[in-house]
Amino acid sequence: KAGVTQTPRYLIKTRGQQVTLSCSPISGHRSVSWYQQTPGQGLQFLFEYFSETQRNKGNFPGRFSGRQFSNSRSEMNVSTLELGDSALYLCASRSSSGAYNEQFFGPGTRLTVL
Amino acid sequence: AQSVAQPEDQVNVAEGNPLTVKCTYSVSGNPYLFWYVQYPNRGLQFLLKYITGDNLVKGSYGFEAEFNKSQTSFHLKKPSALVSDSALYFCAVRDLSGGSYIPTFGRGTSLIVHP
Repeated sequence: KAGVTQTPRYLIKTRGQQVTLSCSPISGHRSVSWYQQTPGQGLQFLFEYFSETQRNKGNFPGRFSGRQFSNSRSEMNVSTLELGDSALYLCASRSSSGAYNEQFFGPGTRLTVL
Repeated sequence: AQSVAQPEDQVNVAEGNPLTVKCTYSVSGNPYLFWYVQYPNRGLQFLLKYITGDNLVKGSYGFEAEFNKSQTSFHLKKPSALVSDSALYFCAVRDLSGGSYIPTFGRGTSLIVHP
């Protein structure tokens, strides 16, 4: 099975712009979660989608949004970029909504905001 | 509420020696516990998990972890470290009583194995 894929792998944007990141989960996985990873804050949960519905949301401003499509692929959008949004954005999928299932992570998208 | 702590930012160990990466957790109910590893410029990879049953859990790459309910700990161990084990390790917890399927991750511990 192919793993979780994320595109693009690297992005450079300037303040005020917006960006869309894409994630394709492992085939058959319906749950997709997004995380922001920074050296100072570690791994912070953004949101989770299951069967096209947002089930959980972390403590991020409304500039961060996401969606999931019927094929389970997910996109994350960040509008009005700020310097502090520079981070590694990780997508993770798992096979069901069960709390005992481990997550499978993609390689991440490295976003740099100048 | 659920939380997890990794008290050491960095662990240094010589190749061939045993290693331990510490993790303690706090939950209201029973925990699901996970360990992940992250190599440079990569996403996290699942190592092992504790759901129920035997307190000693064996995982990938020769790693194991011991669940200790009284000490609320889930330390990661390996009998003989390899230089290739050098990476960032994350502990994560899910509280079964919390109703959320979202795990809380620790801040990570950098493991450095010296030749």
